[in-house]
Amino acid sequence: SAVISQKPSRDICQRGTSLTIQCQVDSQVTMMFWYRQQPGQSLTLIATANQGSEATYESGFVIDKFPISRPNLTFSTLTVSNMSPEDSSIYLCSTGEAGELFFGEGSRLTVL
Amino acid sequence: SQQGEEDPQALSIQEGENATMNCSYKTSINNLQWYRQNSGRGLVHLILIRSNEREKHSGRLRVTLDTSKKSSSLLITASRAADTASYFCATDDIGTASKLTFGTGTRLQVTL
Repeated sequence: SAVISQKPSRDICQRGTSLTIQCQVDSQVTMMFWYRQQPGQSLTLIATANQGSEATYESGFVIDKFPISRPNLTFSTLTVSNMSPEDSSIYLCSTGEAGELFFGEGSRLTVL
Repeated sequence: SQQGEEDPQALSIQEGENATMNCSYKTSINNLQWYRQNSGRGLVHLILIRSNEREKHSGRLRVTLDTSKKSSSLLITASRAADTASYFCATDDIGTASKLTFGTGTRLQVTL
């Protein structure tokens, strides 16, 4: 299993600003995943972050809007850029092996 | 990949009763998993069933999988108020390198 810490846990942001979410894992992992959960909805995968390479983005998500860093095997960041109210969501970091995922507590962003 | 669908969307039962949630999906899978989410927080992995398995038990949880119908069910027996949460199925689709596709979720309310 893996223990994942995310911060901030929540934030209120102004339209047009950017916010970086940090994700720390207590062990070295190969893949880290970033998900978005819009209010009352399910989880949608934003991108997969592998150490030493560019993140792989899912359809509908682009690097300019959601730049991701993966500087080492225990840490990743997701930036939500030029935010609008539509970006108000819970952003979740996860990792796992053999299909089973472990999640952080999520970062709840509200954009005004 | 296309998101799976769960039904019911919401379920309210009394403590001690059983709760059954259903999940349908569209693709061929390596495995199917169920997760629980309390009040918009991080997800907790409950159980994983592989594509060659038909039924699996873990404590008060029973999961079935019918790959011919592309469906799964989660049964929680003798429910408790602490079981109140949202439950999501997630499929590890063949050919997607361990990325999970989450269903739409069932909100379970267990009352005293």
